[in-house]
Amino acid sequence: DQQVKQNSPSLSVQEGRISILNCDYTNSMFDYFLWYKKYPAEGPTFLISISSIKDKNEDGRFTVFLNKSAKHLSLHIVPSQPGDSAVYFCAASDSYTDKLIFGTGTRLQVFP
Amino acid sequence: DAMVIQNPRYQVTQFGKPVTLSCSQTLNHNVMYWYQQKSSQAPKLLFHYYDKDFNNEADTPDNFQSRRPNTSFCFLDIRSPGLGDAAMYLCATSRELEPGSYNEQFFGPGTRLTVL
Repeated sequence: DQQVKQNSPSLSVQEGRISILNCDYTNSMFDYFLWYKKYPAEGPTFLISISSIKDKNEDGRFTVFLNKSAKHLSLHIVPSQPGDSAVYFCAASDSYTDKLIFGTGTRLQVFP
Repeated sequence: DAMVIQNPRYQVTQFGKPVTLSCSQTLNHNVMYWYQQKSSQAPKLLFHYYDKDFNNEADTPDNFQSRRPNTSFCFLDIRSPGLGDAAMYLCATSRELEPGSYNEQFFGPGTRLTVL
């Protein structure tokens, strides 16, 4: 049973536009959510996180929104750049374990 | 640069022939993880070490073993690889989880295992 779901396997966006990547979760005990970015032939790298006590966290072009009642979070990238083309993983954790639960990823393609 | 290194990057083995994948880190993190990722699937945690304390996931097959001889190194041993074990194997590290903080994990580039 997947606790973290990314229902869109791929997304294609024009350069300069907004990219919105979505993630849903089922476990209400999760209190941190992280986004990782993965380029081909590299390991995932941490991008941005959000605590469950917040509904928004912003870092430059990247903003993550959390809707706890809907158990939904989204990553917004504005403006999108070709270098943002990668696979984006949503992950969740609770503060009592050392584990992350990952989604299946969304492949973002930003075209000129 | 501090990093997580995995060797080899590509490993080919034969059905049933034992194989060992290695991971090393220069971050001096006390937690190390092994994940299995199959195509279009989420990375799946196999086990992790908190220092030398081994934590196995309940659904990790017995075919998978691990060793952590010191802080820097961790090994994944697959005793009798089957065709279904072909996957990307990711090693990750993290600091000890602090109360009220999130668990940022640092990943190596992975080892892609092919089983013939």
